[in-house]
Amino acid sequence: GDSVTQMEGPVTLSEEAFLTINCTYTATGYPSLFWYVQYPGEGLQLLLKATKADDKGSNKGFEATYRKETTSFHLEKGSVQVSDSAVYFCALGNFGNEKLTFGTGTRLTIIP
Amino acid sequence: NAGVTQTPKFQVLKTGQSMTLQCAQDMNHEYMSWYRQDPGMGLRLIHYSVGAGITDQGEVPNGYNVSRSTTEDFPLRLLSAAPSQTSVYFCASRKGTGGGQPQHFGDGTRLSIL
Repeated sequence: GDSVTQMEGPVTLSEEAFLTINCTYTATGYPSLFWYVQYPGEGLQLLLKATKADDKGSNKGFEATYRKETTSFHLEKGSVQVSDSAVYFCALGNFGNEKLTFGTGTRLTIIP
Repeated sequence: NAGVTQTPKFQVLKTGQSMTLQCAQDMNHEYMSWYRQDPGMGLRLIHYSVGAGITDQGEVPNGYNVSRSTTEDFPLRLLSAAPSQTSVYFCASRKGTGGGQPQHFGDGTRLSIL
């Protein structure tokens, strides 16, 4: 079945540092890939998505590229801010499978 | 536009009690689902619905019941609460069926079973 493996956390970075959170997946067919963000005490919000190979999703300075050859969808940001502190989830959606398959989440803390 | 609304936000129950977690969406989405979030396990699907009158089981359905009488509402019932059901519960909705579209999540219900 479908699965998502996500970088273990927690991750602590200084403000303005470069961020990478690794995500790899296993799936049949041509899944869609998502990054969700969860701020403290809130639900999950869609951060970005990509629906086919080589697509790049981007939002709020975050980017991720759908790499079918390496089955990866790593999240990157060039200069993080304190306000980026949250839990980040990589997720996969596949036609014919009604659920989203989530990674375990990566807690990110940015210190000033 | 309220999106997905969950009530209550917090609840404490005793073992054996029953309760209903409410979920409503105002986006006319066909698909609705319930997940539970536990530390180190990501989100796991409990039940889902692809339209009014249609429900199906997810990964962890035992101890939970759902119904979908309207497009807007998708309540989750705990039949006899157990400490293992202590979790954060999220309702989500999506336009259309099939896994390619993103889901919209509510703010969650934090449930403790004593």
